[in-house]
Amino acid sequence: GEDVEQSLFLSVREGDSSVINCTYTDSSSTYLYWYKQEPGAGLQLLTYIFSNMDMKQDQRLTVLLNKKDKHLSLRIADTQTGDSAIYFCAERKNTGFQKLVFGTGTRLLVSP
Amino acid sequence: ETGVTQTPRHLVMGMTNKKSLKCEQHLGHNAMYWYKQSAKKPLELMFVYNFKEQTENNSVPSRFSPECPNSSHLFLHLHTLQPEDSALYLCASSLNVQGPANYGYTFGSGTRLTVV
Repeated sequence: GEDVEQSLFLSVREGDSSVINCTYTDSSSTYLYWYKQEPGAGLQLLTYIFSNMDMKQDQRLTVLLNKKDKHLSLRIADTQTGDSAIYFCAERKNTGFQKLVFGTGTRLLVSP
Repeated sequence: ETGVTQTPRHLVMGMTNKKSLKCEQHLGHNAMYWYKQSAKKPLELMFVYNFKEQTENNSVPSRFSPECPNSSHLFLHLHTLQPEDSALYLCASSLNVQGPANYGYTFGSGTRLTVV
């Protein structure tokens, strides 16, 4: 497909793990990113993964990459209410100059 | 504050008005971007400037007119907008368009635009 695809909503209980999924479009994309957007704010870079890796862990965040299926996921362990935000997946496409293409964002709601 | 400042934070304008959005960064970045964020849609790249030169116009209607007088400032001039142009307009910057991957983009907080 043409678009980076994400589900729109995810609701979890505090303390549970959250898994946010993304399907990207270009198998030649070199880097894939996760950004977080809190209410009233811009996007903040959370983490990224290079396309020759299949996993990256950074504290409570684990990124899994399946290049064959062009599938990316973000797992947040021990989810807290402060993790409630919109999470965007983005791919860095090699089209002339390198640009980021974003998905729709997944709104994560963490309830106490 | 992320280092990218957008003003105003909120803007309500009529369809016949002319207004401008401003973006400013003092991060030493040379590439600046305008994105449009609408509900339930992917973030849409509108314009890219690299070292003050426009490198991409993503089929944006001419009622949106960007201006980049220097590497630190980016404007989006608006005129005769439509209600469907109501959205959050985000500015971002990066070292340059070929910038290192772990740098990513730095985003501003956006301007919430409502066209009435």
